[in-house]
Amino acid sequence: KQEVTQIPAALSVPEGENLVLNCSFTDSAIYNLQWFRQDPGKGLTSLLLIQSSQREQTSGRLNASLDKSSGRSTLYIAASQPGDSATYLCAVGGYTGTASKLTFGTGTRLQVTL
Amino acid sequence: NAGVTQTPKFQVLKTGQSMTLQCAQDMNHNSMYWYRQDPGMGLRLIYYSASEGTTDKGEVPNGYNVSRLNKREFSLRLESAAPSQTSVYFCASSLYDAMDTEAFFGQGTRLTVV
Repeated sequence: KQEVTQIPAALSVPEGENLVLNCSFTDSAIYNLQWFRQDPGKGLTSLLLIQSSQREQTSGRLNASLDKSSGRSTLYIAASQPGDSATYLCAVGGYTGTASKLTFGTGTRLQVTL
Repeated sequence: NAGVTQTPKFQVLKTGQSMTLQCAQDMNHNSMYWYRQDPGMGLRLIYYSASEGTTDKGEVPNGYNVSRLNKREFSLRLESAAPSQTSVYFCASSLYDAMDTEAFFGQGTRLTVV
């Protein structure tokens, strides 16, 4: 059974700092890995999708890497801003039985302070 | 740009009552999903529909039923609500079942069962 872990559970950094969020998974047989952002009381917004054949994806100040063999992904946020404050979730896509599904971590709650 | 729309946004039920959560997407996606989110447990898959006319159980299906009404709509029904079903429910969709493509989420339904 796939298990996804995100450490730390919470993180507070001053504005302007570069930071890394970590995600690890137990089964390397994945289709893809997605990073999401969730604001309080809101739904999930997809940030980056990395296919299993890819090593990284970039979007603006965000860069996500994937190392399937070690079961790890990192989300790098450059020059953090207060607007980046949110919970960041990673999810791995894998095949179970008749179809595929996303397995989620419990998230890292990020606070960027002025 | 509606994306994935869920109704209602909030609901309070008494134990034993029934209700249906509605979800509709306007992106012509084939696959739709229902997740629940509980503190400390991440998002867990309740049911999914790989394509119109098919539905399958996910990780935590007990106490729920679903209907894929057409390609756009996927509803989740609680026949006899229990306090353990207090949660935030998210509907999601993706172009294909294999999750090779980005998943889009609705804003969630916050359900309390008293």
